[in-house]
Parts: sequence; C-alpha cells; structure tokens
Amino acid sequence: GDSVTQMEGPVTLSEEAFLTINCTYTATGYPSLFWYVQYPGEGLQLLLKATKADDKGSNKGFEATYRKETTSFHLEKGSVQVSDSAVYFCALEGQGAQKLVFGQGTRLTINP
Amino acid sequence: KAGVTQTPRYLIKTRGQQVTLSCSPISGHRSVSWYQQTPGQGLQFLFEYFSETQRNKGNFPGRFSGRQFSNSRSEMNVSTLELGDSALYLCASSLNSGANVLTFGAGSRLTVL
Repeated sequence: GDSVTQMEGPVTLSEEAFLTINCTYTATGYPSLFWYVQYPGEGLQLLLKATKADDKGSNKGFEATYRKETTSFHLEKGSVQVSDSAVYFCALEGQGAQKLVFGQGTRLTINP
Repeated sequence: KAGVTQTPRYLIKTRGQQVTLSCSPISGHRSVSWYQQTPGQGLQFLFEYFSETQRNKGNFPGRFSGRQFSNSRSEMNVSTLELGDSALYLCASSLNSGANVLTFGAGSRLTVL
C-alpha cells in the first residue's frame, strides 16, 4: 500500500541555518504530495503541495520538488527562524483520493 | 472566516465508556475527514464523509463510527473505550470529496484511564 517515510527527528538547528527534511514515498501512480506543519497545541496547516512530477511547491521560504525518479519530496529552507519550530509532516494523496497518508513527522527546533 | 472547530478540546474517559466528538467544518466545505494521531502510530485516517455519506474508511475496528449532518457538521463516536484509544483526534474539512488541501481543526485530545 501507499506509504511515506520521513527522516527521523528531532532536528535541532541554529537560527539562519539551512534546513533539509527528507521525505520519500511509495505509491501507485503519481499522487499529489504535501507538507503540513503542526505548531504546538494546534492542528495541521498545509505548508505547500505539488501535484505532478517536477512541480515545485513553495511557501514562507520553504520549498519542495516532486521527484518521481527518486520518489522524493524533500523540504528545504535556506535560513530558518525560531518561529519555524514545529512538527513537519510529509503526506501523499492516498488511493481513492479521499485520504492523506502521512509520514511519522519530524520535530524541528530552532535555537536563537 | 471561521476555521474548523472541534469540541471538546480535552476529555478524560474510563475504559468501557463511549465518547462522541464534534466537528464543525469551514462554512461551505462539504467534506469532513477524521484522523487519529498517536505518538506510536502517527496520523492515521479514520473516515471521510461527504454529503452525509461515508466515502472512505480506514483500518479501524467497528467501535469507531461517525456521521455527518445536513449542515456538514460531523460527529465521531468511539464505543467501549480502550486504553489504546487515547489520542488526539483531528477533523479536517475540504470543499469537495478528495484529499486535496485539507484544513484541520486543533483536535480533541482524549485520555482513556
């Protein structure tokens, strides 16, 4: 079945560091891919998405490119801020397009 | 525009009891999905409702059920609670059926003692 694998956390960086959170997937066909972010005490928020191969999703300085050759959708940001501290989830649109399949989440902490 | 509202935010139950959680979607959204979030299993899909009909169901026992009303509000029910049902239950809404661009609520945190 469909699955998503994220790099294990927690990840701790200093402010202004470069961020990469790896995400790979297994799926039938070419599903839409998503990154969601969860801040403490809140629900998930859509950060960015890509709907087809080679698409680049971007938002708030974060980027991810849909790579079908490597079945990956790695999240990157050039210069992180303390306010980026959160849990990040990679997800794909599951079979039947009526559910999301999530990775385990990666907790990111940014120190000033 | 109001977001997705879930009630209650926190609740404590004992084994064997049942619980009902409520979700009010964003105005105009007709699809409501439910997910269970636990430290061990992560986020798992429970079910999706669209136009008062269950469209898809995850791999959960029959103790987990839900429904949707004509105003798109949804409830989920868990009967005969077990310790392992302790989790954050997240509701998400979208305009139409399909997982594209879900808006999540803050969740209902259930603790089973």
